[in-house]
Amino acid sequence: KAGVTQTPRYLIKTRGQQVTLSCSPISGHRSVSWYQQTPGQGLQFLFEYFSETQRNKGNFPGRFSGRQFSNSRSEMNVSTLELGDSALYLCASSLEVGDTQYFGPGTRLTVL
Amino acid sequence: QKEVEQNSGPLSVPEGAIASLNCTYSDRGSQSFFWYRQYSGKSPELIMSIYSNGDKEDGRFTAQLNKASQYVSLLIRDSQPSDSATYLCAVNANYGQNFVFGPGTRLSVLP
Repeated sequence: KAGVTQTPRYLIKTRGQQVTLSCSPISGHRSVSWYQQTPGQGLQFLFEYFSETQRNKGNFPGRFSGRQFSNSRSEMNVSTLELGDSALYLCASSLEVGDTQYFGPGTRLTVL
Repeated sequence: QKEVEQNSGPLSVPEGAIASLNCTYSDRGSQSFFWYRQYSGKSPELIMSIYSNGDKEDGRFTAQLNKASQYVSLLIRDSQPSDSATYLCAVNANYGQNFVFGPGTRLSVLP
């Protein structure tokens, strides 16, 4: 069974731009969670989607948003990029909310 | 605020020794506990999960859970240099809630 896939793997943007990241979960998994990982802050929870509905949300500004499609694929968007948004963005999928999570390879975002 | 704490390390052990990684959590209602391994520049990969008090063994790895003391640990027997990585502890309070990750412990296994 194929694992979690994320695209793109690397991204370079400039301040003020916006970016959209994509995540395809493991087949049959209906829950997708997004995390931001930086050296100083560790793994920070952004949000979790299940059946196209946001079920949980972390403590991030409204510039960070996401959505989930009927096929469980998910996207997250960051608008008005700031230098501090440079990070590894990880997507994890699970069968249901709260089940064991499996991570994708991540998208490395650099904001210049 | 639900918190998960780990010693940041680095924890250095010689090859062949037992590495012991510890994690404490604040939410007494936590039900599910997970250990992930993350190599530098890579994403976390699941090592094992544990849900009941006691020990759970999988190959060279043993997870130990003590809900009364609110801690979970991971033992790595016969540590190998390839075990050198950051180990993340994750806790889920209840079905339907999001995971909370600890900051990770960096393990270095010296040849």
